[in-house]
Formats: sequence, C-alpha cells, structure tokens
Amino acid sequence: GQQLNQSPQSMFIQEGEDVSMNCTSSSIFNTWLWYKQEPGEGPVLLIALYKAGELTSNGRLTAQFGITRKDSFLNISASIPSDVGIYFCAGRYPNTGNQFYFGTGTSLTVIP
Amino acid sequence: NAGVTQTPKFQVLKTGQSMTLQCAQDMNHNSMYWYRQDPGMGLRLIYYSASEGTTDKGEVPNGYNVSRLNKREFSLRLESAAPSQTSVYFCASSEAQGNQPQHFGDGTRLSIL
Repeated sequence: GQQLNQSPQSMFIQEGEDVSMNCTSSSIFNTWLWYKQEPGEGPVLLIALYKAGELTSNGRLTAQFGITRKDSFLNISASIPSDVGIYFCAGRYPNTGNQFYFGTGTSLTVIP
Repeated sequence: NAGVTQTPKFQVLKTGQSMTLQCAQDMNHNSMYWYRQDPGMGLRLIYYSASEGTTDKGEVPNGYNVSRLNKREFSLRLESAAPSQTSVYFCASSEAQGNQPQHFGDGTRLSIL
C-alpha cells in the first residue's frame, strides 16, 4: 500500500511555542488533508489542500501543499493546551476516486 | 445536530461470530466511508460509497461486507470475526470539494476473542 511518513512521531512543547510537523509520500498526491484526533473521538478535518504550492490557514493553523506534490506541512502558532491531540495527514493519488491514505500521526503534548 | 452516528460504541465478539456495525449521517451527504484504526497505524480504508447504490473496496476489504441501505445509512458487516479484526472502526461522510472524509463518528471499539 501507499507509504506515508509523518514526523515527528511525538512532540512535547511549552505553551506559546510554535509547532511544525510534516508528511511525505512515495508518490504524487493531488489532495493533502490534515486532521486532529482527541481521545475517544473521531478525527476532525482541519485543512484540505488541492494544488501544489497552496497555503491555507485555519486560525492558528497553517498547512502547505508541497511543490513536489509529495509532501505537506502543518504549522501551529502560539500553541495552547487545547491543541493537545494526535494530528494526522492524509493524501490521495490522482485518479483513485475516494481512496485516501493516512499517516501514522504526530502526538502533540502542550505543557502549560 | 447529530452528524455521524455509529452504533454500537463497544462490542466484544468470539471468533467466528458475525455482527453488523451501523452508521447513519443526517447531513444529506453523498459519500460515506468505513475505516479501521489500529495502534501505531494510520486509518485504513475498508470500503467506501461514493453515492447511494454504489460501493467500492478500499485498502483492506477482506473479511468485510458493506451495504449502502439508503443515502443516510452505511453498514459494515463481519461475517466470521477473526482476532485480526480487533480494532476501532470509524464511519465518515463527505460532501466536500474533493470528497475527502469530512465528518467522522466517534467510533466502534471492537474486540474479538
């Protein structure tokens, strides 16, 4: 199956710090997605990206669709305790319908 | 405003038993999905339904069947449960630009002994 490498695997940061995580694939994607999951809940879609170079923000979150189309980045500015959770990237090959592949997640802990 | 509702929330089965996981969405979405989530792995697509009356296999369909009963409901059936199917199962729906899974249920935690 598709290989999606997400890094880092976990992060422990102080409240107020900025966070950066990324995801790389072995093949070109035409869509990149970022989700957040909290314990006992389903993932929540944060940002969707549809073309190379696209930069999209959602509040303090900013994500970019890499120029090579094989990577994507998620940045969180001025982290707060409620940012705690697991962040997943996901992507889709061209011409594969609704099949999205997920990364293994970045676990974020924010220390007040 | 329920969104995506999954039942049951928890289930324990014995190997060889069958069961159906239910999913319903009240947002009039066309696309629906079933994923499984295992420790240390990303979500993996089992089946999806792009619209009422259609279903397609995802990455890990073996051992499962699905039914898109109507636009609201998309069920997942395990005919003969195996320990390897112990997982958390998520249903999702979408009406987004790229048909990406937008709204997820809270999951069904299934253990097979």
